[in-house]
Amino acid sequence: SQQGEEDPQALSIQEGENATMNCSYKTSINNLQWYRQNSGRGLVHLILIRSNEREKHSGRLRVTLDTSKKSSSLLITASRAADTASYFCATDEAQAGTALIFGKGTTLSVSS
Amino acid sequence: GAGVSQSPRYKVAKRGQDVALRCDPISGHVSLFWYQQALGQGPEFLTYFQNEAQLDKSGLPSDRFFAERPEGSVSTLKIQRTQQEDSAVYLCASSQQRGPGNTIYFGEGSWLTVV
Repeated sequence: SQQGEEDPQALSIQEGENATMNCSYKTSINNLQWYRQNSGRGLVHLILIRSNEREKHSGRLRVTLDTSKKSSSLLITASRAADTASYFCATDEAQAGTALIFGKGTTLSVSS
Repeated sequence: GAGVSQSPRYKVAKRGQDVALRCDPISGHVSLFWYQQALGQGPEFLTYFQNEAQLDKSGLPSDRFFAERPEGSVSTLKIQRTQQEDSAVYLCASSQQRGPGNTIYFGEGSWLTVV
């Protein structure tokens, strides 16, 4: 079963615009991670945010985490055509037992 | 190696055929995971190894699915008597150790089509 739910399912923007994707989850977590997947490829780790952190930056990426609302957002600033991909959030549940639980993903399309 | 390596990258199997998918994790990584990803969906957890021990196989969809990691390095996911619903990408991932904060690295996946 999938824990995370990304929103929106699909997003189309122009190069240079910012893209925001949201993720909601259901149980207590140790951390939340965001991954990117280009069409036909494997998953690439983007950023990890721990449950005691509220915001984290990495280059053009900004991730926030609100554990009270059980939600996270991924912001990509100044988007490029190369950012076109599917983005997944994945949670590491506090009740250890399984590995990362993924959502269904947001498909981002950046046109030039 | 530099990353997680999976083979074959693409496999077409006739319904009822057995298939074996191989995963070479990053050298020294203790934890190894298998995921199944259907078209348009997120990856679904199948099973987890710590060294050679299979600590969690709760995600395996049926007893036709079997995974092993006999020497704590290379892992094989075997699917017996394949069915059309087994068509998916099978992703292998590894990390240095199990636990919060450890980044999990994924391979490119093995794309299985059952005809």
